[in-house]
Amino acid sequence: GESVGLHLPTLSVQEGDNSIINCAYSNSASDYFIWYKQESGKGPQFIIDIRSNMDKRQGQRVTVLLNKTVKHLSLQIAATQPGDSAVYFCAETIRRNFNKFYFGSGTKLNVKP
Amino acid sequence: ETGVTQTPRHLVMGMTNKKSLKCEQHLGHNAMYWYKQSAKKPLELMFVYNFKEQTENNSVPSRFSPECPNSSHLFLHLHTLQPEDSALYLCASSQATSGGGTDTQYFGPGTRLTVL
Repeated sequence: GESVGLHLPTLSVQEGDNSIINCAYSNSASDYFIWYKQESGKGPQFIIDIRSNMDKRQGQRVTVLLNKTVKHLSLQIAATQPGDSAVYFCAETIRRNFNKFYFGSGTKLNVKP
Repeated sequence: ETGVTQTPRHLVMGMTNKKSLKCEQHLGHNAMYWYKQSAKKPLELMFVYNFKEQTENNSVPSRFSPECPNSSHLFLHLHTLQPEDSALYLCASSQATSGGGTDTQYFGPGTRLTVL
């Protein structure tokens, strides 16, 4: 997952623009990845997942890209809305290692109206 | 609404108190988890239960004691906590497959714990 820092990286975008949030994962053996969204005062909410046999997966307004060569994951949000403002973090796991997910520290997305 | 509920949502306790956090999942899952989320740090896995059996204790101090009476309920019993234990405690559940591996984890809203 992402390195732990004293402050969260912040991405500020204008409403209607596209957002790209990045995550560098640490284990080349990881084969399953999830993006979560966490709004203030709430628990993490599943957004989209991807397995290592894919390099791209699309959902509603979101796309996850996986680059296994450089161990990089990105989340693209199309037409960003104020309701997208939250902390986004990625999680990685090796599926045969029962239940163990490793989480990044997150990126804060601020959407300006 | 993710199908995972937690109570209480907020808890303030002294270092000598004993309290319990409760988690309930309505998703028919068979794996449940406790995580600790401190400010600006990644989620820290604390405990994992599969089919009501504890399968993971991530070096958690004994002042945290989990209990899983059935596959839908999970408790975290707290006693003689320290101020540094103040954090958001999150419960999650997933559908663990018999062949190993696990599906997506779904989180509850968390309990915001403050230890004075």
